[in-house]
Amino acid sequence: AQSVTQLGSHVSVSEGALVLLRCNYSSSVPPYLFWYVQYPNQGLQLLLKYTTGATLVKGINGFEAEFKKSETSFHLTKPSAHMSDAAEYFCAVSVGAAGNKLTFGGGTRVLVKP
Amino acid sequence: GAGVSQTPSNKVTEKGKYVELRCDPISGHTALYWYRQSLGQGPEFLIYFQGTGAADDSGLPNDRFFAVRPEGSVSTLKIQRTERGDSAVYLCASSSGRREGNYNEQFFGPGTRLTVL
Repeated sequence: AQSVTQLGSHVSVSEGALVLLRCNYSSSVPPYLFWYVQYPNQGLQLLLKYTTGATLVKGINGFEAEFKKSETSFHLTKPSAHMSDAAEYFCAVSVGAAGNKLTFGGGTRVLVKP
Repeated sequence: GAGVSQTPSNKVTEKGKYVELRCDPISGHTALYWYRQSLGQGPEFLIYFQGTGAADDSGLPNDRFFAVRPEGSVSTLKIQRTERGDSAVYLCASSSGRREGNYNEQFFGPGTRLTVL
């Protein structure tokens, strides 16, 4: 079975500062990895995903993440935070043979200070 | 085009009552998923349909929970004898049969917020 751990349930950053959200996973087979964003009272929106190939993946809104197999990590970064980045972020893992069901971490809520 | 829709957006019920939550997937999507998101937690998988059949129902917490997708499109999640612990946001997602890198992206609906008093 796979699992996801997100370090830090809340992160506060200043506008213009680096955003770094940490995600570690556990999987017995090569995983597919995802970051989703959830704005208040809205559904989950896919930010980016890693399936195969290049380990540094770029997503929407200036976010990127790097798959590091040796560290079992998939940390999310954005060089410069914007007020509109305030939301909750979820890391998730899937294994293709399991029907692509997603296993999510507990989420990290990002607060952006002006 | 239209995304995944879920009705109702909010449902308040009393302990012991029966509820049905509806999901309309994106047209043509063959796979449909239900997840449950409790307050302050990440979504948890409940059940996955491929067409009309439940391909994986390992996430259903107990036999009070049941889901159907009789025509391979709309799905209904049914909860019997509701308990206060069932209070959560129930999310539905759908994906197409086309493969991209051996993964079908899931598109999520806005969820149904269920409150059991």
